[in-house]
Amino acid sequence: GAVVSQHPSWVICKSGTSVKIECRSLDFQATTMFWYRQFPKQSLMLMATSNEGSKATYEQGVEKDKFLINHASLTLSTLTVTSAHPEDSSFYICSARTSGADIQYFGAGTRLSVL
Amino acid sequence: AQSVTQPDIHITVSEGASLELRCNYSYGATPYLFWYVQSPGQGLQLLLKYFSGDTLVQGIKGFEAEFKRSQSSFNLRKPSVHWSDAAEYFCAVGGGADGLTFGKGTHLIIQP
Repeated sequence: GAVVSQHPSWVICKSGTSVKIECRSLDFQATTMFWYRQFPKQSLMLMATSNEGSKATYEQGVEKDKFLINHASLTLSTLTVTSAHPEDSSFYICSARTSGADIQYFGAGTRLSVL
Repeated sequence: AQSVTQPDIHITVSEGASLELRCNYSYGATPYLFWYVQSPGQGLQLLLKYFSGDTLVQGIKGFEAEFKRSQSSFNLRKPSVHWSDAAEYFCAVGGGADGLTFGKGTHLIIQP
């Protein structure tokens, strides 16, 4: 149990276009989802926290207008990278937790390459 | 602010030898501590966690970790490593309603 699916696993896009990444909890209701960013050979940095039905809370330094997060249902959160630029190229990983739980379950990640 | 330090960027261990990966944390309250493993291009798999109680916690794949409050440490150990243990290991603090703060990771290399 506790499976988190992330799609796509890899996406290449042109500079200036927008890309949407989906994060789904397959067998539990995710009241909270988190989005992390990982640069090559670096650690994961928390970008934002989203609670179902609420606006996402962004970490300091993360542009909310560039990284749009929607958590419209208890099983789906999306991250849209708007007007992507090469510096947005990175590995994006989502995680999800259910209400009252202290463990986050991670998706397999999405590698974004912006040309 | 909370932080996690993993002082070893790379560690090389011979197959069958014992392993210890170091983790030190800074946290304002009683920490929730985690160890995750990441294979290349993959997401994270939870190895073990500490919330409270017994300071020696057992995890999957034969790993264990010991919480030492006096040293603000949560080191990961395994008595005998296997080639399949080669991966990136992350220590993290936080959890609950909050996101996790990760260390920079330790890259484990297994020598035959």
